[in-house]
Parts: sequence; C-alpha cells; structure tokens
Amino acid sequence: EAGVVQSPRYKIIEKKQPVAFWCNPISGHNTLYWYRQNLGQGPELLIRYENEEAVDDSQLPKDRFSAERLKGVDSTLKIQPAELGDSAVYLCASSPGLAGVKNIQYFGAGTRLSVL
Amino acid sequence: SQKIEQNSEALNIQEGKTATLTCNYTNYSPAYLQWYRQDPGRGPVFLLLIRENEKEKRKERLKVTFDTTLKQSLFHITASQPADSATYLCAYGSSNTGKLIFGQGTTLQVKP
Repeated sequence: EAGVVQSPRYKIIEKKQPVAFWCNPISGHNTLYWYRQNLGQGPELLIRYENEEAVDDSQLPKDRFSAERLKGVDSTLKIQPAELGDSAVYLCASSPGLAGVKNIQYFGAGTRLSVL
Repeated sequence: SQKIEQNSEALNIQEGKTATLTCNYTNYSPAYLQWYRQDPGRGPVFLLLIRENEKEKRKERLKVTFDTTLKQSLFHITASQPADSATYLCAYGSSNTGKLIFGQGTTLQVKP
C-alpha cells in the first residue's frame, strides 16, 4: 500500500512569489491534514479536511494561504505571496477517522520550502 | 492555553541502556496520547497510542505510560540501539475533534 505522497520535496523561491504543494493521501483515508514544521519544533496544524470539507482552518493564515481538496482525495496548499517567515517543512498527513486509533496519522515526507 | 512540553535538550545514552523521554501537558485533559518517531528529512511515523484510562502500553522494546494526575507521559526504549537515534514527538488528542497537538520533540542519540 502506498503511503502519503507529497511533491515537490524541495522548493526554493524568492519572497513575494507564489508556491503550491501537492498531497495524495492513503487510499480510503477521509481525513487529511496540512501541518507546518519549523526547525526544532513539532508539527503545527494548518488545516484539516473531512472529505472535501475544511473542518478546522483556524490556524491557517488566510490572507496568504489557501487550500483545497477537490473530490475528497488529493489536496493542494498554496501560499501567495510567500514571505521569509514561511520557510519551513510543510507536512501532509491522512488518517482513517477522528477518534482514538482512527486518528493515527500517516505523514508524507514533507516539502521543505526556502524563501529567499 | 493548552500546552505540551518535551525536553528540548537532546538525550544521549549508551547502547543497551534504557532511554526515557518525558512529555508534560497543561490546561488540557487529553483523551489519548500518541508517540511518533521522526528521522531527518522524513515525516513522523506513528509508534504507540495510549488512552486516558490506560496506565501503560507496550510494543516490543517500547513502553509508554500515562499519568493523568501528574499530567505526564513517559516513553521508554529498552535495550536501546544506535538505530533508535531519532527525534521522538508526543501528541495529545481529544476524543471527538481529531485534532492533535504536538510537542516540540526530543532528539535521542544512542552511542555504540
């Protein structure tokens, strides 16, 4: 069974440029998460989807970040325009459900973003 | 505010010894705790889950405890090996929101 697939693995852009990340979750997983991880820190949730619906986007900086999950499968996370402080690893994860063992999250390898 | 803390200092131990990592939480009563392992350049990988009504959980050389009175979880690796060297993250979750709050992680270095 394939795991969570993310692309690209690395991205270097100049500030004020747009950038997009793509995620393909594990087949059958209805719940999808986007996290941001800064160096030396744990992942911080940006947005969580149940199928196509964003059920928790309270931590998403909506002035520059947007996300979508069309057809309840793949998802994209976009930043426009990028700022220097956006440099981090962006992780996508999926889980079978919400509670207890169903909330065990399977992570992709992440996209390391460097904003110059 | 809800807070989860792990020892930010790296833990260095000798091969064969038991590694013990600590996770403390405040202003929250989690329904369960999860522990993940993260290697450099990779995403976290799930290891163990322990519920609030469980005192201890084991999996091979791994053991997790959950003390709701102390608001603390301990993660033990017995007979540690250099291959156990990684960053270990704890995360707590509620019973109905599915949201996980992660600690900052503790880096373990096992020396041969």
